[in-house]
Amino acid sequence: DTGVSQDPRHKITKRGQNVTFRCDPISEHNRLYWYRQTLGQGPEFLTYFQNEAQLEKSRLLSDRFSAERPKGSFSTLEIQRTEQGDSAMYLCASSLLAGRDTDTQYFGPGTRLTVL
Amino acid sequence: TQLLEQSPQFLSIQEGENLTVYCNSSSVFSSLQWYRQEPGEGPVLLVTVVTGGEVKKLKRLTFQFGDARKDSSLHITAAQTGDTGLYLCAGVRGNEKLTFGTGTRLTIIP
Repeated sequence: DTGVSQDPRHKITKRGQNVTFRCDPISEHNRLYWYRQTLGQGPEFLTYFQNEAQLEKSRLLSDRFSAERPKGSFSTLEIQRTEQGDSAMYLCASSLLAGRDTDTQYFGPGTRLTVL
Repeated sequence: TQLLEQSPQFLSIQEGENLTVYCNSSSVFSSLQWYRQEPGEGPVLLVTVVTGGEVKKLKRLTFQFGDARKDSSLHITAAQTGDTGLYLCAGVRGNEKLTFGTGTRLTIIP
């Protein structure tokens, strides 16, 4: 399977614990995005990378959240001191910036986080 | 805060019926995309509309972009049970990040 993969698919943690999610984009895609989706809502943009550079962060991304893409390939999203409000589906997407107006983003299956 | 409002939020119809889902915004987008999302999966792109007034057809699905590029509609003809899912519109501006709508959960009853 050469699509976007995310690990783990499900994570249950206790409030106050740290969690880390991983996203492996489609090979050679230079852009990688993180979104958060709560129940009954559409996904909301969190941050995105072009290669290893983090180009934009949403105001939704508090200082407890950090994302990295150290070698311009896979990315990690870490949440420190989790809160119940962090419970959501965390989606990763990748695209190939090729100079066109709109580059298709391909989404992974998501990581569902439940904070008890 | 979702900038794109979708209506209806929930829709349940019989197989074979037609339906229309709306996506409205006060903002202008360079393009608008429609996705379908299955439970436990990420959204899958159905179509991208770019030009104001543009109409695109994908088998039984017809997508239209408003003249002012602020709104869009998705029309499904003769709905099938396989059309069941969460339909999301998403506006694109500038740096390609997507602004998703609130979603329409569609259920087709056999």
